[in-house]
Amino acid sequence: AQTVTQSQPEMSVQEAETVTLSCTYDTSESDYYLFWYKQPPSRQMILVIRQEAYKQQNATENRFSVNFQKAAKSFSLKISDSQLGDAAMYFCAYRFQGGSEKLVFGKGTKLTVNP
Amino acid sequence: GAVVSQHPSWVICKSGTSVKIECRSLDFQATTMFWYRQFPKQSLMLMATSNEGSKATYEQGVEKDKFLINHASLTLSTLTVTSAHPEDSSFYICSAKATEAFFGQGTRLTVV
Repeated sequence: AQTVTQSQPEMSVQEAETVTLSCTYDTSESDYYLFWYKQPPSRQMILVIRQEAYKQQNATENRFSVNFQKAAKSFSLKISDSQLGDAAMYFCAYRFQGGSEKLVFGKGTKLTVNP
Repeated sequence: GAVVSQHPSWVICKSGTSVKIECRSLDFQATTMFWYRQFPKQSLMLMATSNEGSKATYEQGVEKDKFLINHASLTLSTLTVTSAHPEDSSFYICSAKATEAFFGQGTRLTVV
């Protein structure tokens, strides 16, 4: 079974600084997707960024970028120029490209942004 | 992005009663929807996969007779918590898959 591990229960960063959230996963599949979701206090799940496993290039969305290391099964999220609105729970998720395509989530990292 | 609407946002019910939660995809059709449960300060736990026109697929350990799922149309899935008890109190979230999985706002259920 696929598993997703986030080893940092909590992280903090100063406003305008950069922070990296870690995620590792375990799968025997070769065709899959990886995601980072943000869950602010409102608890609405928001997609931050996605990465297709077949793409070697790391995905980037404005201040958010990933470091995808397929061989190491590592998928970290870098947030640059952190803003107060980035404070939230961040969940790493895996989806096999096939079957029901359900998401498997990590336990989450709570990010605090200090002014 | 696509919009998924979940209703109600919160509900309080008496022990022994049933509660229905709706999940609608507003601007796209979803043959597959997912229902999650989230305990405080924990991750999302997949309860079941809802398929339009067929029976839901439940994850191991989820009581299908307690958590009834109906996916009668391509834009609507419902989760009914039957004979609710205080231990069923939780945050329930649905998602519908278009190009990506889009999530509803969630429903906070409190059983008293």
